[in-house]
Amino acid sequence: QLQLQESGPGLVKPSETLSLTCTVSGGSISTNYYWGWIRQPPGKGLEWIGSIHYSGNTYFNPSLKSRVTISVDTSKNQISLKLTSVTAADTSMYYCTRHLTTMLTPPWYWGQGTLVTVSS
Amino acid sequence: EIVLTQSPATLSLSPGERASLSCGASQTVFSSYLAWYQQKPGLAPSLLIYDASNRAIGIPDRFSGSGSGTDFTLTISRLEPEDFAVYYCQQYGTSPITFGQGTRLEIK
Repeated sequence: QLQLQESGPGLVKPSETLSLTCTVSGGSISTNYYWGWIRQPPGKGLEWIGSIHYSGNTYFNPSLKSRVTISVDTSKNQISLKLTSVTAADTSMYYCTRHLTTMLTPPWYWGQGTLVTVSS
Repeated sequence: EIVLTQSPATLSLSPGERASLSCGASQTVFSSYLAWYQQKPGLAPSLLIYDASNRAIGIPDRFSGSGSGTDFTLTISRLEPEDFAVYYCQQYGTSPITFGQGTRLEIK
């Protein structure tokens, strides 16, 4: 069964870079699926950050595009997220996801999420 | 980007009743690429419906989705206690993927 597990620092200082990793088990990321990141501030709604195919094709939310990097490491079966110049507004639960298949399908599998707090 | 507006913000109903949740889009959702998710406290969202009307694997048939264009509805025919949660609609036909603000379904 496919499992996605997010990991990374739970506390990041303002202006620094948030870095998260999603480790996939029960399946290979080197398949014809899109993988992505979605976040949710505490008590608020969901925001799509971006999605990536193992070939490197990526899509980003324009509201975050200038600060976001999403990449894949096929040797480790991992997807990573980097968000630069963070502020308190970036405090959120960050979820790793896998689309049903292509970008024109919804995120189907979700990790349990990891809470990142931006604070000095 | 496509803005999704869900109504009502909160819906108070009793077990056994029928629930209708609405999702309106600011422009046509391409190919009705619209999904519904359920989120319970402390958990990740769970996919219920995709392509506006297709139930995801393992989803009970009391959940149904309908609509096209800019107006979509999630219907729960007979509420079970485990159905009380927050529901989000999402469109994935046009980038960026966007979500509605959610409808909280609470026990009356």
